[in-house]
Amino acid sequence: DTEVTQTPKHLVMGMTNKKSLKCEQHMGHRAMYWYKQKAKKPPELMFVYSYEKLSINESVPSRFSPECPNSSLLNLHLHALQPEDSALYLCASSQTGPRVPDTQYFGPGTRLTVL
Amino acid sequence: AQKVTQAQTEISVVEKEDVTLDCVYETRDTTYYLFWYKQPPSGELVFLIRRNSFDEQNEISGRYSWNFQKSTSSFNFTITASQVVDSAVYFCALSVHVQGAQKLVFGQGTRLTINP
Repeated sequence: DTEVTQTPKHLVMGMTNKKSLKCEQHMGHRAMYWYKQKAKKPPELMFVYSYEKLSINESVPSRFSPECPNSSLLNLHLHALQPEDSALYLCASSQTGPRVPDTQYFGPGTRLTVL
Repeated sequence: AQKVTQAQTEISVVEKEDVTLDCVYETRDTTYYLFWYKQPPSGELVFLIRRNSFDEQNEISGRYSWNFQKSTSSFNFTITASQVVDSAVYFCALSVHVQGAQKLVFGQGTRLTINP
């Protein structure tokens, strides 16, 4: 079973709203990732958590705040976003930490629209 | 530089034709890993294959095959007897070592359309 789930599937929010994206995996993976994907572009890495600790932050603006409550869950808290933050947000997980190039398995993504 | 180039932005073929998607990579690592992912219109990235740099054996999985050539830094993907369900964006990716961790560097993707 290589399933990563993400909720919600679609999200529309205003620039003053606070919302959260959720990601869950039950494969026992110890690394989890957030990516942002704009239309017709490849995914761009935002954050990496390894063993529930933030391992990589790709200089993401502070209006995006990740959280890893346990090894199965990954959240992305959103606050005061801009219209240019509208994108597909993808979550992924891999078996071990990011120090070894394990295969990353992706969820279906959340399509975010910021008005 | 560590990068992946997918020179074909879009490819359109008729069903049952064979099609090859090109991937050329650059890396300074002596050991590295390459991946192919498929992204259908639904948005999810579906893992297809992982190949490490010390295994140059070509691989076949049903209608899919991969040709890895270190001499030309290429990792091409061929679909035989294409089907409409193969329509998707395909990404080639390279795993690179950054800040004591690994991250995926994606190519720009190739949008493949299979017409009935």
